Amino acid sequence: GAVVSQHPSRVICKSGTSVKIECRSLDFQATTMFWYRQFPKQSLMLMATSNEGSKATYEQGVEKDKFLINHASLTLSTLTVTSAHPEDSSFYICSAADSQETQYFGPGTRLLVL
Amino acid sequence: GNSVTQMEGPVTLSEEAFLTINCTYTATGYPSLFWYVQYPGEGLQLLLKATKADDKGSNKGFEATYRKETTSFHLEKGSVQVSDSAVYFCALSDYGTALIFGKGTTLSVSS
Repeated sequence: GAVVSQHPSRVICKSGTSVKIECRSLDFQATTMFWYRQFPKQSLMLMATSNEGSKATYEQGVEKDKFLINHASLTLSTLTVTSAHPEDSSFYICSAADSQETQYFGPGTRLLVL
Repeated sequence: GNSVTQMEGPVTLSEEAFLTINCTYTATGYPSLFWYVQYPGEGLQLLLKATKADDKGSNKGFEATYRKETTSFHLEKGSVQVSDSAVYFCALSDYGTALIFGKGTTLSVSS
């Protein structure tokens, strides 16, 4: 089946630094990738929709200058959390849509900002 | 707008018990419906899906039928195992759009 990877799986950083998270579709091309955030014991909250070669579409309330998304190829999207603060600590999950529009999820990246 | 409502958990069952997790949806179009499972500390895995009314999705003993008349997509399994303990998310997607998730239902199965 379709496989999506994320890197890193876990990251700890100091407040004020930037963190980049990569999302790759390993065995299929994904025109569209999605970035979600999940708080403990809660559902996933869509942050943005990323389309290859164009600007990402952000959900209401998500700061586009803080959460930079780049979808440079059909197999790679990156999320950069700029000037991270403790409140940005969360579980970030990406998904990639195949040609049937089924979304496959990465294993997630746990970010802890100290 | 579109939305998904699933039963509150946690659901606690003994091994080999019958499982039902209710899910209903509201949608303006004809969405595809999904069940995803999340094991502790991991991302989401697609469990099953159905793309049109009366379709039945099935995988690993789990089943769900797309019921347009009742706008439901209930998840069932005839005999649960301890390894089925996880959080289950019902979700819908209009073609090409992001998934809309329910709040998730935690299933705990004891031996």
